[in-house]
Amino acid sequence: DTGVSQDPRHKITKRGQNVTFRCDPISEHNRLYWYRQTLGQGPEFLTYFQNEAQLEKSRLLSDRFSAERPKGSFSTLEIQRTEQGDSAMYLCASSLLRREAFFGQGTRLTVV
Amino acid sequence: AQKITQTQPGMFVQEKEAVTLDCTYDTSDQSYGLFWYKQPSSGEMIFLIYQGSYDEQNATEGRYSLNFQKARKSANLVISASQLGDSAMYFCAMREGGGGSNYKLTFGKGTLLTVNP
Repeated sequence: DTGVSQDPRHKITKRGQNVTFRCDPISEHNRLYWYRQTLGQGPEFLTYFQNEAQLEKSRLLSDRFSAERPKGSFSTLEIQRTEQGDSAMYLCASSLLRREAFFGQGTRLTVV
Repeated sequence: AQKITQTQPGMFVQEKEAVTLDCTYDTSDQSYGLFWYKQPSSGEMIFLIYQGSYDEQNATEGRYSLNFQKARKSANLVISASQLGDSAMYFCAMREGGGGSNYKLTFGKGTLLTVNP
């Protein structure tokens, strides 16, 4: 079963360091999403790709965040100069047009 | 105003009994979709069931059914014959708008369901 895969599952980093997460969507899915989930909350939308084009970025995504999806396949989410407030679960999801989104297991980031 | 409201932070149910998890939503769009996801302690969000705003019948998927009351803007999840493996966080979510603009999900805060043996 080739579901949505995220790597790493866990990341502990020191404040000020850069981190990069990877997401491999379900292969035939043209839509890819990043969400962030903090403790006790539901996931919040960060950004959306249709194929390789990034079509929307949430205001939650500060200038320190950048996401790419080269060639419309896997995606990366980079956080520069991490802050303690960036500690959260970062969830990736993919879908076909107008269909339900399938999520990966997430990357749990802890900034110390 | 919250777009998705889940008023039950936690719910308990006895194994083999049915349980209803509440969800109300707020939108001015005529076209929208409502989703329920399950999140076990492992962290993955598992899609359970979908209801479109124009669907006339309530959605069902195995032991899951969605009690959709459009006028009341509610989309409650009913789990029948609860199993121990159903213990998890449950999130209600909405996708607003029609056509190509409808892609992002807005989630509620979730309900933690505990199934007792």
